[in-house]
Amino acid sequence: AQSVTQLGSHVSVSEGALVLLRCNYSSSVPPYLFWYVQYPNQGLQLLLKYTTGATLVKGINGFEAEFKKSETSFHLTKPSAHMSDAAEYFCAVSGNTGNQFYFGTGTSLTVIP
Amino acid sequence: KAGVTQTPRYLIKTRGQQVTLSCSPISGHRSVSWYQQTPGQGLQFLFEYFSETQRNKGNFPGRFSGRQFSNSRSEMNVSTLELGDSALYLCASSLGTPRGNEQFFGPGTRLTVL
Repeated sequence: AQSVTQLGSHVSVSEGALVLLRCNYSSSVPPYLFWYVQYPNQGLQLLLKYTTGATLVKGINGFEAEFKKSETSFHLTKPSAHMSDAAEYFCAVSGNTGNQFYFGTGTSLTVIP
Repeated sequence: KAGVTQTPRYLIKTRGQQVTLSCSPISGHRSVSWYQQTPGQGLQFLFEYFSETQRNKGNFPGRFSGRQFSNSRSEMNVSTLELGDSALYLCASSLGTPRGNEQFFGPGTRLTVL
């Protein structure tokens, strides 16, 4: 079975500070992992994904994530937070059949000026 | 390419009524998934359709149903609405195969049940 756990439902950082959003996964098959962002009253937008190959994945808006199999983690980072990064972030793992995604409960990121 | 579109964007219904939501996927995408998003429960998977067949189903009552047409457009129906059905309903499309294709989300339909 597949699942993800996002540690910290709310994270606050100062503008310019490092952003670290945590995601741990459980998967019975090699995982395909995703990070999505959701702005208020909008759908989800893909930030980045890991399927196979390089474990450090770069995404849009300066975000990146590192797949660590030994730690079953896929944490999202950004070196310097911008005000525009304030949003809800979701980690997801693909199911082992079809195209069902299992989402974490989300982390709300607040950026303090 | 045009993105995923969902209609209507907002709906207000009363308890006991039924509602139909529509989703048009990205051209060429054969998989459409539906999710319910609420503040308390987060994103919950409803079902996935691929080439007009339901391929996966989440843990929702039978009042929630869907279908997919030959052009990959999908509809979701909720019958006998309850207050707890108030939520943002998101549709996502993907190529559907092989496993692991990213899903592209529409803006959602916000359903309010009074």
